[in-house]
Formats: sequence, C-alpha cells, structure tokens
Amino acid sequence: GQQVMQIPQYQHVQEGEDFTTYCNSSTTLSNIQWYKQRPGGHPVFLIQLVKSGEVKKQKRLTFQFGEAKKNSSLHITATQTTDVGTYFCYKGGGAQKLVFGQGTRLTINP
Amino acid sequence: KAGVTQTPRYLIKTRGQQVTLSCSPISGHRSVSWYQQTPGQGLQFLFEYFSETQRNKGNFPGRFSGRQFSNSRSEMNVSTLELGDSALYLCASSLGTGGSYNSPLHFGNGTRLTVT
Repeated sequence: GQQVMQIPQYQHVQEGEDFTTYCNSSTTLSNIQWYKQRPGGHPVFLIQLVKSGEVKKQKRLTFQFGEAKKNSSLHITATQTTDVGTYFCYKGGGAQKLVFGQGTRLTINP
Repeated sequence: KAGVTQTPRYLIKTRGQQVTLSCSPISGHRSVSWYQQTPGQGLQFLFEYFSETQRNKGNFPGRFSGRQFSNSRSEMNVSTLELGDSALYLCASSLGTGGSYNSPLHFGNGTRLTVT
C-alpha cells in the first residue's frame, strides 16, 4: 500500500539543540503537508510542499521536499520548549487514502 | 469563522454497544475525514466524505461506518464496540479533498472514546 515512513519515532533534545524529522514515501508524492500536535491537542497544519526540491522556512523551522518528491524533512534550529509536540507528515490528494506518517514525538529538556 | 466542532468530547461505553460521533466542519468546507489516534498506532485514516459521498476508506472493519449530510456535517458510527476501539477519534475538514493542493486539514478537538 501507499505508506509514509517517518523517523525517528522519538527525539529528546536539550533546549537550544537542533531537531530533524524525516518522512519517506514509497511512491512519488503530489504534495506533502506537515502538522504539529501539542500534548493534549489536535494536529495543526504547518506547511505544504509541492515542488521538487522546494525549501520553505518559518522562523526556526525549515521544510524540504526531495528532488524526487519521495521524501521530506522538517528541521528546527535551536529548539525551544514551545516546540514540544508530535510532528506528522501527511500525504493525500486525489483518489488516494489519506496517510499520516507515524509521527516524531519531540521532548525538550529545558 | 468557527472551527471544527466534534461532539461529544468524551464517551464511555461498554463492550458490545454502539456509538455515534458527530463532526461539524468549518463553514464552506465540503470534505470531512475521520481518524483514529492511539498511542501505539498514531493517526489511522478511517474514511473521507466529500459532498455526501464516501471518497476513500481506510483499513478498518465494517463495524466502522460514516455518513455526510447535505450541510457537510458528518457522523461516524461504531457498532459492536470492542476494547480495542478505545481511542481518540479526530475529524478534520478541508475545502477540497483532504491533502490536495492548498487544502490543508483543520482538525476538531476529538472525541475520546473509552470502551470498558
């Protein structure tokens, strides 16, 4: 089936360290979206990537879409306690099952 | 604009019973999708409705069903509840079909179902 593999499953960092989560698909993606879910909350849309090799930045967050449109990454520079949560990549669109990656749970030691 | 509203927030049911969950999407959104979230399995796609038609269905047994009304509100039904159905059920609405270009998902706060 159409799967999206996300690694790592968990990441614990010291505040101020960087963090990266990776998302890999077995098939070419039309687009990929990233969501963040705070503890006890619901997923919230962060960004969408569409073009091959696309890079987008939101303050300390950098999102990349691979050249082959089969992988994506989210990088956070100098983490802060407000970054705590689980980050999901998500593929969908068209007549495809809507698939989330397994998520990367980020915890931060202040 | 009001966000996605899910009711009820919490439910406790007994094994074998059935349950109906409700989701009111953001005004103007025609797509509603449902997800089951458990600690071990992450976010699992249940089904998606667009303009009252089921577009996609995940790999869940037939005990899980849903529907969408003409006002885009959606309901999800689970019959013959099992202990393993205990989870947070999230619905999300989007302008177009979920995940499509410029059509991000907007989630409700979820319904936490506990089956005893």
